[in-house]
Amino acid sequence: ETGVTQTPRHLVMGMTNKKSLKCEQHLGHNAMYWYKQSAKKPLELMFVYNFKEQTENNSVPSRFSPECPNSSHLFLHLHTLQPEDSALYLCASSQASSGGVTDTQYFGPGTRLTVL
Amino acid sequence: AQTVTQSQPEMSVQEAETVTLSCTYDTSESDYYLFWYKQPPSRQMILVIRQEAYKQQNATENRFSVNFQKAAKSFSLKISDSQLGDAAMYFCAYRSQSFNKFYFGSGTKLNVKP
Repeated sequence: ETGVTQTPRHLVMGMTNKKSLKCEQHLGHNAMYWYKQSAKKPLELMFVYNFKEQTENNSVPSRFSPECPNSSHLFLHLHTLQPEDSALYLCASSQASSGGVTDTQYFGPGTRLTVL
Repeated sequence: AQTVTQSQPEMSVQEAETVTLSCTYDTSESDYYLFWYKQPPSRQMILVIRQEAYKQQNATENRFSVNFQKAAKSFSLKISDSQLGDAAMYFCAYRSQSFNKFYFGSGTKLNVKP
């Protein structure tokens, strides 16, 4: 295991539901990421947090809302999702320098999300 | 924006043989990092190997090695003595030297035949 955990591992939700994905890293890193992985498509970077501050938001719809209360935890709050949001959501962490540049990412196992 | 292209959606190799996975990328930067990640079925994505663009020497990790051709913007992964446990999706990734962004290819599924 790489020290990054995600819960739940599987989630099925309706379009009107509100749910949250959780990520926790045990590696002492200070940067965390959310990715969306759809079949036969490149990983899509959604959000980046450096030192608990959001530094990237790659034009993600507002129905996805990230939260990073500390450098070890990252949440992705979901509401009024669409069926096309069904995918594997991966969390990753890395060690960022004071200049914000990071190196190798370590990934969690992902949450398989199905939106009905 | 940088793009990473993996032109082989799926490949197969016989156990104990050698296979090469291709990756090309597009960038105007001179300094950057390249990675190969492995994602086994229903398991976590893990780093296989990384390469700094300023290093001319190709990176090697046990049975895994890369052929980094900076001018051609090519970064292929060679797996020697393939094992059944090498069966997985392999993703090529690019990271800017200056910016906290990673760009991934669409992946290559590697099958290993006994």
